[in-house]
Amino acid sequence: DAKTTQPNSMESNEEEPVHLPCNHSTISGTDYIHWYRQLPSQGPEYVIHGLTSNVNNRMASLAIAEDRKSSTLILHRATLRDAAVYYCILRGGTASKLTFGTGTRLQVTL
Amino acid sequence: GAVVSQHPSWVICKSGTSVKIECRSLDFQATTMFWYRQFPKQSLMLMATSNEGSKATYEQGVEKDKFLINHASLTLSTLTVTSAHPEDSSFYICSALVATAGRARDEQFFGPGTRLTVL
Repeated sequence: DAKTTQPNSMESNEEEPVHLPCNHSTISGTDYIHWYRQLPSQGPEYVIHGLTSNVNNRMASLAIAEDRKSSTLILHRATLRDAAVYYCILRGGTASKLTFGTGTRLQVTL
Repeated sequence: GAVVSQHPSWVICKSGTSVKIECRSLDFQATTMFWYRQFPKQSLMLMATSNEGSKATYEQGVEKDKFLINHASLTLSTLTVTSAHPEDSSFYICSALVATAGRARDEQFFGPGTRLTVL
């Protein structure tokens, strides 16, 4: 599986936008970019995924670089409930399983 | 989104006993379920892939005789930790796959996890 690189931790103030980066320089043409997050003591939760075009949903936006070697998860207005570990994961076109890296621990402060 | 439940949410057992953890998809059918293990301050590690009606596929390094997986129906998979020891204490999480058009578009929905403590 192609690997992803994320910062270990990030901080944000509440009500401000947060940009969580992910590098995936070895991504293949059939890899989808998935984002999950895990709140403390809970199972992971699906956030968003995309292939080439930017994606928006009610939780977040996903900006994918033109060369697809990096992507950014955007939380438009962080709240305290967004404090979690965010995982950027690549999934191949025929693969179902997810391989979790270390993720980015997002802290949100008042 | 689809709901996945796990039971129990936490369990404490004595060393040498076996513990069964259930994973249920509540409002959908899941032909494939996954079992993960997560130690404190670490990421999730995939243990096995469970397909309904067939034997589970275990990841390298995971003992299939110690972690028994049964996926007898489209809504239930169970993980049994046999002869549990303190080093098996961990957070066990299952997920269920909701298939849509094109496998890479599939979403996994995760259960809330089961915290196992072996004394």
